[in-house]
Amino acid sequence: AQTVTQSQPEMSVQEAETVTLSCTYDTSESDYYLFWYKQPPSRQMILVIRQEAYKQQNATENRFSVNFQKAAKSFSLKISDSQLGDAAMYFCAYRRLYTGNQFYFGTGTSLTVIP
Amino acid sequence: NAGVTQTPKFRILKIGQSMTLQCTQDMNHNYMYWYRQDPGMGLKLIYYSVGAGITDKGEVPNGYNVSRSTTEDFPLRLELAAPSQTSVYFCASKTGNTGELFFGEGSRLTVL
Repeated sequence: AQTVTQSQPEMSVQEAETVTLSCTYDTSESDYYLFWYKQPPSRQMILVIRQEAYKQQNATENRFSVNFQKAAKSFSLKISDSQLGDAAMYFCAYRRLYTGNQFYFGTGTSLTVIP
Repeated sequence: NAGVTQTPKFRILKIGQSMTLQCTQDMNHNYMYWYRQDPGMGLKLIYYSVGAGITDKGEVPNGYNVSRSTTEDFPLRLELAAPSQTSVYFCASKTGNTGELFFGEGSRLTVL
């Protein structure tokens, strides 16, 4: 089974600063999806950003961007200009591209934003 | 604009009791999933379904059952509740084409 590792259980950032959350994964596949999900205190999981492994360009969504290093199997999330509303648990997830019925999640990183 | 709806949001069970967590989606998604989230453990897949009438086990299916009689509904049944089933349960769905999962708000279950 694929594994997804988030080595930072907790992170903190000053408001308006930039923070990077780390994620590594293990797979023998060449085509797959990677995701970052945000889980605020309200509990509902929300998609932050998605990356297709066959795309070399790193995905960007407003203040959120990824650094996708396919050879290193690394998929980090950068949050720029951090806001108080960014405080949440962030989960990295993996899914195979063509037979990807199952998603594999990391254990999460709890992000605190300091005013 | 309901998306994925789970009920109940909170429930306390006694050991040995049974209950069903309900999940409904109004996006006409073929794929539906049940996850459990334990502190510090991320999400673990319990069961999933690729369409009405088709279900399959995930990583942690023991103690649970599911059915998928319609595209919209995917209930999760706990037959004999045990303290190890204390967790937060999430239902999710996706289409066959897009990559992302859409989640419900979660159901917190405590077994005492």
